[in-house]
Amino acid sequence: RKEVEQDPGPFNVPEGATVAFNCTYSNSASQSFFWYRQDCRKEPKLLMSVYSSGNEDGRFTAQLNRASQYISLLIRDSKLSDSATYLCVVTDHGSSNTGKLIFGQGTTLQVKP
Amino acid sequence: EAGVAQSPRYKIIEKRQSVAFWCNPISGHATLYWYQQILGQGPKLLIQFQNNGVVDDSQLPKDRFSAERLKGVDSTLKIQPAKLEDSAVYLCASSLFGRALYKNIQYFGAGTRLSVL
Repeated sequence: RKEVEQDPGPFNVPEGATVAFNCTYSNSASQSFFWYRQDCRKEPKLLMSVYSSGNEDGRFTAQLNRASQYISLLIRDSKLSDSATYLCVVTDHGSSNTGKLIFGQGTTLQVKP
Repeated sequence: EAGVAQSPRYKIIEKRQSVAFWCNPISGHATLYWYQQILGQGPKLLIQFQNNGVVDDSQLPKDRFSAERLKGVDSTLKIQPAKLEDSAVYLCASSLFGRALYKNIQYFGAGTRLSVL
């Protein structure tokens, strides 16, 4: 079983649609959770951290369910510029004070006019 | 504030040749990471440095890959000899040190795209 699993997609949606991405992780001791965005042929960039209580940043909402080891990202009112690959990321601290990021394979979103 | 710098941006080599990549992290970031990203996959951690010490190199193919961060700032990653399956983007990232959430945010360089022919 992969440490972080995502549906690779692609998700093809029209502008204005609401789309949701899901992610599961295998290590119940994971402590920090993030969504990164990666544009084609670019480096990953932090989209948002994921807090236990859930959090929202504009059109983006992230949820964490520790009991089910499940993370989600909801994008409302999709824009053409949202087209990218969305990477679910979990931190495994192990014996280190700074966590090792474990990436899912990413979910590709294509927003069409 | 300057971001993570990497060079070269692109490299094409033949199998069995050697190649080296360079990374300069964000100023003040104690932790530096090298990732390998194969097309269609998420980045995979190769090695993590804390200042100039190795924290995790469990996924580094040590028979051919090596990395160093001698003065706790810049780092180099070397492949010798390269294989066809090493074709990938090599990403360098840096972060602050600590368990707090914001200290775990990693900032990535633009990467080096390696093609092994």
